Amino acid sequence: KAGVTQTPRYLIKTRGQQVTLSCSPISGHRSVSWYQQTPGQGLQFLFEYFSETQRNKGNFPGRFSGRQFSNSRSEMNVSTLELGDSALYLCASSSLAGGNEQYFGPGTRLTVT
Amino acid sequence: QKEVEQNSGPLSVPEGAIASLNCTYSDRVSQSFFWYRQYSGKSPELIMSIYSNGDKEDGRFTAQLNKASQYVSLLIRDSQPSDSATYLCAVNIGRTGGFKTIFGAGTRLFVKA
Repeated sequence: KAGVTQTPRYLIKTRGQQVTLSCSPISGHRSVSWYQQTPGQGLQFLFEYFSETQRNKGNFPGRFSGRQFSNSRSEMNVSTLELGDSALYLCASSSLAGGNEQYFGPGTRLTVT
Repeated sequence: QKEVEQNSGPLSVPEGAIASLNCTYSDRVSQSFFWYRQYSGKSPELIMSIYSNGDKEDGRFTAQLNKASQYVSLLIRDSQPSDSATYLCAVNIGRTGGFKTIFGAGTRLFVKA
C-alpha cells in the first residue's frame, strides 16, 4: 500500500501571502489530521477531518483552515502568512476517526520570509 | 501543567543496554496511548500503541501503561545505534466534538556504539 503523500515538500513564501498544502492519505483511510511542528513548540494539532467533516481542531487562529474531499484527500490553507508560520506541516492518516493509530506523510517544509 | 510531558533528554545509553523512556499525561479519561519514533529530518513513525493497563511487547520494544498513575513508558531492549532518534509519546484526549491526539515534546535518545 502506498503511504501518505504530501505536496509540495518545500515551499518559500513571503509574509502576507497565502499557501495551500495537500495531503493524500493511505488508500482506505478516511481520517486526515494536520500538525504543525516547530523546534520550540513541538508537534501541535491543527485539525482533523473525517468523511469530509472537521471533527476537531486545535488552538490555532482562523487563518489556518482545511477541507477534505470525497476521495479523502485533504488540503490545508494558511492565509496572511506570518514569519512564525515557518514550520514543518505534517499530515497523518488513520482508518478511524478520533486520532487512533496515525501514519504520517513526509511533511511540507514552509519557510516564510 | 502540560497535557503530555516527557523528559526532553538527551538520554544516552550504551549499545546493548535497555533504554527507558517515560511519559505522563494529565487527562484521566484518556484511553489510547502511542509511541512514535522520529529520526532527524524525517516524519514521525508509529512504533507502539497501548490501550490497557500493563505491558505490551513487540520485538525489542515494550510499552507499559499505568492509568492510575497516568504514566506510560517505552522500554527498548538491546539498544542499537540505529535506535538513536527522538521518541514522541502521544495521548488521545477527549474534547467536545471528539478526541484529538496530543504529543509530548519528545525525548532524544542516543545509543553509543
